[in-house]
Amino acid sequence: LAKTTQPISMDSYEGQEVNITCSHNNIATNDYITWYQQFPSQGPRFIIQGYKTKVTNEVASLFIPADRKSSTLSLPRVSLSDTAVYYCLVGDEGGATNKLIFGTGTLLAVQP
Amino acid sequence: DTGVSQDPRHKITKRGQNVTFRCDPISEHNRLYWYRQTLGQGPEFLTYFQNEAQLEKSRLLSDRFSAERPKGSFSTLEIQRTEQGDSAMYLCASSLGNGNQPQHFGDGTRLSIL
Repeated sequence: LAKTTQPISMDSYEGQEVNITCSHNNIATNDYITWYQQFPSQGPRFIIQGYKTKVTNEVASLFIPADRKSSTLSLPRVSLSDTAVYYCLVGDEGGATNKLIFGTGTLLAVQP
Repeated sequence: DTGVSQDPRHKITKRGQNVTFRCDPISEHNRLYWYRQTLGQGPEFLTYFQNEAQLEKSRLLSDRFSAERPKGSFSTLEIQRTEQGDSAMYLCASSLGNGNQPQHFGDGTRLSIL
């Protein structure tokens, strides 16, 4: 399973766009890239998933370059409630095991 | 609420006692997973079920840990002879077993060993 590397922490202010980049140099052909958000004392919550190019939903965008060795989660106009830990994962979601390997994540702190 | 439900939310027990946690997945999800999370770390995979079959349990931390999903619906995770190092958040997740469907997590059971 591919290992991911992401910054330990990031700071931002309300209303700004935040981009969190994740490196996954050993990503396999069948691997998808998935991002989760976690608040204290809650389980991780699915944000977005992609395989290549760009994916956008109502809360975020995910940018994946052609070589797929990295990805960037983009959160538009963050608010205080976006303060959380963000995890980048790669894996074969439809595969035999489907287990998720979490790193330590990126703690995003949004200030007023 | 049709999300993943875990019970209890908190459990405090003395070292050496047995504990059991329950997870009710989203009803149509056939895959169910257990994870453990300690402070400052991401969740760590323990085991997973496809329907009632436990397809991987190699990551269960020791033989004191066991999990069941007898009817392919709810699941239980049991820890026997608890130790201080078992103190953690135990998370359950479920997903549809086809294609790249994301996992949906419950809010966990926080276990504290005195």
